[in-house]
Amino acid sequence: AQSVTQPDIHITVSEGASLELRCNYSYGATPYLFWYVQSPGQGLQLLLKYFSGDTLVQGIKGFEAEFKRSQSSFNLRKPSVHWSDAAEYFCAVGAAFGNEKLTFGTGTRLTIIP
Amino acid sequence: DTGVSQNPRHKITKRGQNVTFRCDPISEHNRLYWYRQTLGQGPEFLTYFQNEAQLEKSRLLSDRFSAERPKGSFSTLEIQRTEQGDSAMYLCASSQTVGGGTQETQYFGPGTRLLVL
Repeated sequence: AQSVTQPDIHITVSEGASLELRCNYSYGATPYLFWYVQSPGQGLQLLLKYFSGDTLVQGIKGFEAEFKRSQSSFNLRKPSVHWSDAAEYFCAVGAAFGNEKLTFGTGTRLTIIP
Repeated sequence: DTGVSQNPRHKITKRGQNVTFRCDPISEHNRLYWYRQTLGQGPEFLTYFQNEAQLEKSRLLSDRFSAERPKGSFSTLEIQRTEQGDSAMYLCASSQTVGGGTQETQYFGPGTRLLVL
């Protein structure tokens, strides 16, 4: 069964500082990987996705993520955070074929301090 | 381009009542998913449709839950005899299958927040 672990429940960073959110997955074959962001009381917005090819993927709002098969990781990064980045971030894994349901991690809440 | 819409956005009900939620997917999308998200957790898969066919149901979907997508467009999720444990955000997502494989991306609606008193 597929699973996702986000080890950090809550992260606080200063505005303008760099950010890395960790995501580890467990899946028996080639995974499809996603990062979504959720603002309070809202649905999920897709930040970026990895299906195949280049292991460094670019997303919206200046985010990027790197797929590392050897470490089963798909960490999200941003070089300089903005106050508007404060939100909940979810990593998710989907199957390459067959059932495409997503399995999500428990999320990392990001707080930005001035 | 309109995204996925869900109605109502909020629902408060008393234990034992029935509730129904509606999801309108992105118009050309053939797949529709329902997820449930409880406080402090990530979304958990409930069920999904390809066109009007319901292809998978999670064990989380007890017999009090039923979902339909009668014409392959909008979907409804009904909960009968609600319990306090049903309080959660119910999220709908839609996607379009690509060729013979997947590589699809799920786009989520704003969710319906249910509170059972």
